[in-house]
Amino acid sequence: DTGVSQDPRHKITKRGQNVTFRCDPISEHNRLYWYRQTLGQGPEFLTYFQNEAQLEKSRLLSDRFSAERPKGSFSTLEIQRTEQGDSAMYLCASSLGPSTGGAEAFFGQGTRLTVV
Amino acid sequence: DAKTTQPPSMDCAEGRAANLPCNHSTISGNEYVYWYRQIHSQGPQYIIHGLKNNETNEMASLIITEDRKSSTLILPHATLRDTAVYYCIVRVASGGSNYKLTFGKGTLLTVNP
Repeated sequence: DTGVSQDPRHKITKRGQNVTFRCDPISEHNRLYWYRQTLGQGPEFLTYFQNEAQLEKSRLLSDRFSAERPKGSFSTLEIQRTEQGDSAMYLCASSLGPSTGGAEAFFGQGTRLTVV
Repeated sequence: DAKTTQPPSMDCAEGRAANLPCNHSTISGNEYVYWYRQIHSQGPQYIIHGLKNNETNEMASLIITEDRKSSTLILPHATLRDTAVYYCIVRVASGGSNYKLTFGKGTLLTVNP
């Protein structure tokens, strides 16, 4: 178990460019989540996958954002036409589910995006 | 999910117990109390969770009041590496959106030498 892995750790991009982040969850975890965190705030839920199915998308996920988990393993989060307001830490987490009480989620180190 | 209230910051001396309070007065009977922490520039880390009874693991103890309207996370012997933002989260036990964590701003615990 190598934990949740995210790549890249840091990304600087120019406004208007597209960016893609990758998340590799813990191998046996069927649930995968994306969160976004801005300075001074707690993480905010973006979207959730159970295996390859995307079951919930937050209103925070505008139409410029798209997430996939094609084979129920790794996931990608793409942001098109980036804006300065997209600058944030993007966190991926995974867990086993369903389970009563909600199995604890394990988070990756995050990808810090800076849009200039 | 029920909302939680935590103090924005706390200090603790190294080696002493750190007691972090959380109010969740609107908690429902089927909601768990979870604690996560986030060390600077890292992802959140699960600490402990509980429903009614007090819980203890290798990291911390969780004390939940009898009426379940508040709880306290106890780090028995705080070290400098425990300096982090601690989040108290209430989450429904099953069904609905129990997969989702709703983070507040948490408590910044600073452990001083």
